[in-house]
Amino acid sequence: GAVVSQHPSRVICKSGTSVKIECRSLDFQATTMFWYRQFPKQSLMLMATSNEGSKATYEQGVEKDKFLINHASLTLSTLTVTSAHPEDSSFYICSAPPMGGYEKLFFGSGTQLSVL
Amino acid sequence: GEDVEQSLFLSVREGDSSVINCTYTDSSSTYLYWYKQEPGAGLQLLTYIFSNMDMKQDQRLTVLLNKKDKHLSLRIADTQTGDSAIYFCAATDSGYSTLTFGKGTMLLVSP
Repeated sequence: GAVVSQHPSRVICKSGTSVKIECRSLDFQATTMFWYRQFPKQSLMLMATSNEGSKATYEQGVEKDKFLINHASLTLSTLTVTSAHPEDSSFYICSAPPMGGYEKLFFGSGTQLSVL
Repeated sequence: GEDVEQSLFLSVREGDSSVINCTYTDSSSTYLYWYKQEPGAGLQLLTYIFSNMDMKQDQRLTVLLNKKDKHLSLRIADTQTGDSAIYFCAATDSGYSTLTFGKGTMLLVSP
């Protein structure tokens, strides 16, 4: 079945540094990828929609200059948390629907970000 | 916007059936999903149902959809301890402009 690979699975960084998270669709092309954030014991909150070849669409309240999204190819989207602070510590998950097949939406395994 | 609600906790004994319920508010929701999340892991797609279906069965999983009442349920037959996890339901419209998740139901299966 379709697989979405997300790396790294866990990252610890110092406050003020930037962290890049990669999301790859391994056996299908994805013109759209979604980035979510999940706080402990809470549901997923959509942060932004990544579109191949164009600018990402951010949800209300999400700082686009802080959470940089790049979708340079049909199989790769990246989320960069710039100048990370402890309040950015969270579980970040990406997802992608196969092209033409929105009835399935596959998720990456998530990235646990801890900012010290 | 869409609002998806789930009960937060369910406890069952191994071998029993589990039923996790979900309600949603947007009648135009086209695709409805059930995901499983184990601790520290991403979401695993368990099953999905298209809104023109009433039921879908996949091995131990049965999804029931009552579109009139906007009620979705996931039944797990012969529940095992390995089924202990958080289960999320999610709904989206046909244009996939939004995907809304419930807060998740924690299923605890005891031996």
